[in-house]
Amino acid sequence: DQQVKQNSPSLSVQEGRISILNCDYTNSMFDYFLWYKKYPAEGPTFLISISSIKDKNEDGRFTVFLNKSAKHLSLHIVPSQPGDSAVYFCAASAESGGSNYKLTFGKGTLLTVNP
Amino acid sequence: NAGVTQTPKFQVLKTGQSMTLQCAQDMNHEYMSWYRQDPGMGLRLIHYSVGAGITDQGEVPNGYNVSRSTTEDFPLRLLSAAPSQTSVYFCASKPGAYNEQFFGPGTRLTVL
Repeated sequence: DQQVKQNSPSLSVQEGRISILNCDYTNSMFDYFLWYKKYPAEGPTFLISISSIKDKNEDGRFTVFLNKSAKHLSLHIVPSQPGDSAVYFCAASAESGGSNYKLTFGKGTLLTVNP
Repeated sequence: NAGVTQTPKFQVLKTGQSMTLQCAQDMNHEYMSWYRQDPGMGLRLIHYSVGAGITDQGEVPNGYNVSRSTTEDFPLRLLSAAPSQTSVYFCASKPGAYNEQFFGPGTRLTVL
């Protein structure tokens, strides 16, 4: 039973355009969501996060949107750059349930930004 | 700070052999954890620790043991390696008040 789903295994966009990566979750206890970026042969690196008390969080070119009623979040990258090409993982935790150290990951989306 | 370090980077084992994957962090983080990444599976939690002397099981703990005798170190032991344990293993840590975990570079393990 997959609690965090990233239904698009891959996404290809042109440099300068917007990249939108989607993530759905099924566990209503999840109240904190994170996006990690992973290059080949490296560990995941934290990108941006959002608490369930918010519906939007921005950090430079990266914005995460959360729709709690739909149990859906998305990561927007504007403008996309070739260096953004990587696997992006969506992750969730149940902070208020005392489990903020247990992350549940999606399967990841491979983003390719073409010059 | 070196952050989260893992050794070795690569390892090949034969079925039935045992080994220990090392993980260390120099950030004085309370929480440490081990994940495995398999193709098409994302990262799955194996074991975690909320502090020295305290460990618990994650989603896929079978075949693995952990201990946490110091804040800095969190080794993962494979008692009798099986081909199903072929994977990339990531160690992570975080300070208690934060949700964001910091990951090490990973250990790629192949069990023949």
